[in-house]
Amino acid sequence: NAGVTQTPKFQVLKTGQSMTLQCAQDMNHEYMSWYRQDPGMGLRLIHYSVGAGITDQGEVPNGYNVSRSTTEDFPLRLLSAAPSQTSVYFCASSIAGQEGNTIYFGEGSWLTVV
Amino acid sequence: GQQLNQSPQSMFIQEGEDVSMNCTSSSIFNTWLWYKQDPGEGPVLLIALYKAGELTSNGRLTAQFGITRKDSFLNISASIPSDVGIYFCAGYTGANNLFFGTGTRLTVIP
Repeated sequence: NAGVTQTPKFQVLKTGQSMTLQCAQDMNHEYMSWYRQDPGMGLRLIHYSVGAGITDQGEVPNGYNVSRSTTEDFPLRLLSAAPSQTSVYFCASSIAGQEGNTIYFGEGSWLTVV
Repeated sequence: GQQLNQSPQSMFIQEGEDVSMNCTSSSIFNTWLWYKQDPGEGPVLLIALYKAGELTSNGRLTAQFGITRKDSFLNISASIPSDVGIYFCAGYTGANNLFFGTGTRLTVIP
């Protein structure tokens, strides 16, 4: 998992609070994405970006915002946290155009909303 | 979103046994991938498959891209304790979206 750094590792939020999950990669990858992982389910794509200044929605975007002002950083924002957003969040990066074989995942951020 | 059905959901096997798991979809995928996730970590890519019928090995792991492009399987031969973890299949439709299966939790009994 070298090269993709996520912070924080663990976070507890109260309903309605906002926070930002940080993601940074130092591999000069164009493509970055955020997934959430819930018990008994595979990872589901929240938002992705194919380059600086470009973002798009994935499968489950509601309640989350992203921005991509630099190639290195792709923060995920929860504007008003809800208990349904309790999950493990993974950031990933890859070289755009090379599907699959160069995707690197961060170590995950465990978020609990109470 | 895309539905990837992965089976079995969990497996308990003796060390040294072979393991087989598969993934099916109602949709066609251009690329099939298999990942392993250890506790507290992100998924790590094991094998990538790029065309229908492709059979690829990575050490004791072998995976195949189904002819219909709607399924894939992963075999692990001669399992060892460090094979323990959750295995995920994933597929690309070609639209920058990677869809994951629900995972197979593997336990290897020494």
